[in-house]
Amino acid sequence: RKEVEQDPGPFNVPEGATVAFNCTYSNSASQSFFWYRQDCRKEPKLLMSVYSSGNEDGRFTAQLNRASQYISLLIRDSKLSDSATYLCVVNSKGGYNKLIFGAGTRLAVHP
Amino acid sequence: DAGVIQSPRHEVTEMGQEVTLRCKPISGHNSLFWYRQTMMRGLELLIYFNNNVPIDDSGMPEDRFSAKMPNASFSTLKIQPSEPRDSAVYFCASTRDRQGYEQYFGPGTRLTVT
Repeated sequence: RKEVEQDPGPFNVPEGATVAFNCTYSNSASQSFFWYRQDCRKEPKLLMSVYSSGNEDGRFTAQLNRASQYISLLIRDSKLSDSATYLCVVNSKGGYNKLIFGAGTRLAVHP
Repeated sequence: DAGVIQSPRHEVTEMGQEVTLRCKPISGHNSLFWYRQTMMRGLELLIYFNNNVPIDDSGMPEDRFSAKMPNASFSTLKIQPSEPRDSAVYFCASTRDRQGYEQYFGPGTRLTVT
């Protein structure tokens, strides 16, 4: 079983739609959680950290369920510029700086 | 501020040749990571340095791969001899040594081994 699992997609949605991505992780001792965004042929960049109480940044909302070892990302009012791959990221057991990246979920927003 | 700098951006080489990838982390960051990304395997951590010391090299595929960090501002990843299956994008990332801090990635080196 992979340490971080995501639905690869692609999710094809029209502009203005709401879309949700899910992610599960296997290490119950993980303490840090993130969503990174990667554009085609570019490097990954931090989108947002995920906190236990859930957090929101504009159109983006992240949720964490420690009991189920489940992380989600909700994007409201999708824009064309949201088209990218979204990587679920969890810190690894035994090293708080070591991150494990999911394979990513691809989002394509169309007019 | 300059971000993480990697060179070369693209490398095409023949099987059996030595390849050296270079990385300059962000000034003040004391953790450095080398990753490899392919369509099949996604983003994989190869090796992680903290204060120039290799902490975890469990992701290094085999003895053909080696990495060094002679000082806080420079690291290399070497493949010798290279093989076609090494073709991938290699990213370097850096961060401060604190839990939960963002890792900043360089633009990557796209390696093709023919």
